[in-house]
Amino acid sequence: AQKITQTQPGMFVQEKEAVTLDCTYDTSDQSYGLFWYKQPSSGEMIFLIYQGSYDEQNATEGRYSLNFQKARKSANLVISASQLGDSAMYFCAMRENRAISNKLTFGGGTRVLVKP
Amino acid sequence: GAGVSQSPRYKVAKRGQDVALRCDPISGHVSLFWYQQALGQGPEFLTYFQNEAQLDKSGLPSDRFFAERPEGSVSTLKIQRTQQEDSAVYLCASSLEVAGLTDTQYFGPGTRLTVL
Repeated sequence: AQKITQTQPGMFVQEKEAVTLDCTYDTSDQSYGLFWYKQPSSGEMIFLIYQGSYDEQNATEGRYSLNFQKARKSANLVISASQLGDSAMYFCAMRENRAISNKLTFGGGTRVLVKP
Repeated sequence: GAGVSQSPRYKVAKRGQDVALRCDPISGHVSLFWYQQALGQGPEFLTYFQNEAQLDKSGLPSDRFFAERPEGSVSTLKIQRTQQEDSAVYLCASSLEVAGLTDTQYFGPGTRLTVL
């Protein structure tokens, strides 16, 4: 079974509008961390936002916010006021507490294209 | 400060050749990770170093893959007798701490390997 599922392979969004990227995860751990990364065409993975499983508040970071629904095991990324520079691949990732290496497990990604 | 750097950025190899990919992590970062990203997919974990110790190599796809970090700083990923299925982007990431769910991994720009 996939540990991280991103069901939207691609999305168009109008400049200045908000967009929600879906992410569901699967773990039996009680303690885990969820991350979102942005990967522009240059290839570098850019960290956007983090949510811990025990965090009571949804994480926010500038125009990025995370809609964390623990019971549903979802951690959707919301990008507000989209800009042309937001066009990129977006990856959801999870770190489980059991992993000796604290490795990240990534989803398949969602490609976002912002239209002017 | 400088981020994670990787070299070369692009590498073309003939099938059967050996290649070596270099990663310079952020100075002072204890943890170093290697990931493999196939075209159109999310990154997949290969191996993890804590300082010079390789604590997790569970993601290495075969014994043709070898990684080292002899002085706890620069790391090299070596692939022997390259095959076409090794074609991918190889991403290196580093993080400051040894453990902890909140520890953010910072990625380099990757090395795109093409095996002909």
